[in-house]
Amino acid sequence: KQEVTQIPAALSVPEGENLVLNCSFTDSAIYNLQWFRQDPGKGLTSLLLIQSSQREQTSGRLNASLDKSSGRSTLYIAASQPGDSATYLCDLEYTGNQFYFGTGTSLTVIP
Amino acid sequence: DAGVIQSPRHEVTEMGQEVTLRCKPISGHNSLFWYRQTMMRGLELLIYFNNNVPIDDSGMPEDRFSAKMPNASFSTLKIQPSEPRDSAVYFCASTTLERNTEAFFGQGTRLTVV
Repeated sequence: KQEVTQIPAALSVPEGENLVLNCSFTDSAIYNLQWFRQDPGKGLTSLLLIQSSQREQTSGRLNASLDKSSGRSTLYIAASQPGDSATYLCDLEYTGNQFYFGTGTSLTVIP
Repeated sequence: DAGVIQSPRHEVTEMGQEVTLRCKPISGHNSLFWYRQTMMRGLELLIYFNNNVPIDDSGMPEDRFSAKMPNASFSTLKIQPSEPRDSAVYFCASTTLERNTEAFFGQGTRLTVV
């Protein structure tokens, strides 16, 4: 079974700081990698999707990178804000509509 | 579009009762997924449908769980009989069968079995 690990499990930073969330996986033959955020008691909101042929995607203050050879994706958040506080999940898609979610990183941005 | 719509948002039921969770995917999406989320196991894929046909139900934990998709705009996940260990948040997600498209999730149904 594919192992998808997100480290750290929890992160607390002061407002304004830049930060990086990590997602590691064992099988590099992915189709897509998608980053989600989940607010308490809410569903998952898609942030960025990186296709297997791409190395990064950017949306506003968010930048996601993908390095298949090292089995790693990072989500970079610039100038963090309290509203960024949430759990961030990476999701890997393989052939045959197989999806594997990471364990999640709980982010708290302190005003 | 209103997004993926799930109902109910919260369900509390007694052990042994039948529970039915409902999902309306985004119009035009032809792939639908049911997930379960718990603190212990994180997010797990239970079953998914392509064009209303179940493709992979290997994630369904037991025969007590069943899912149907009678048409492109509606799906149900049923648990009969329910048990306390079924307590979790159940998410539905939809996407298109085209490659490299995002999946969109519903708000989830929080199920508590007492």
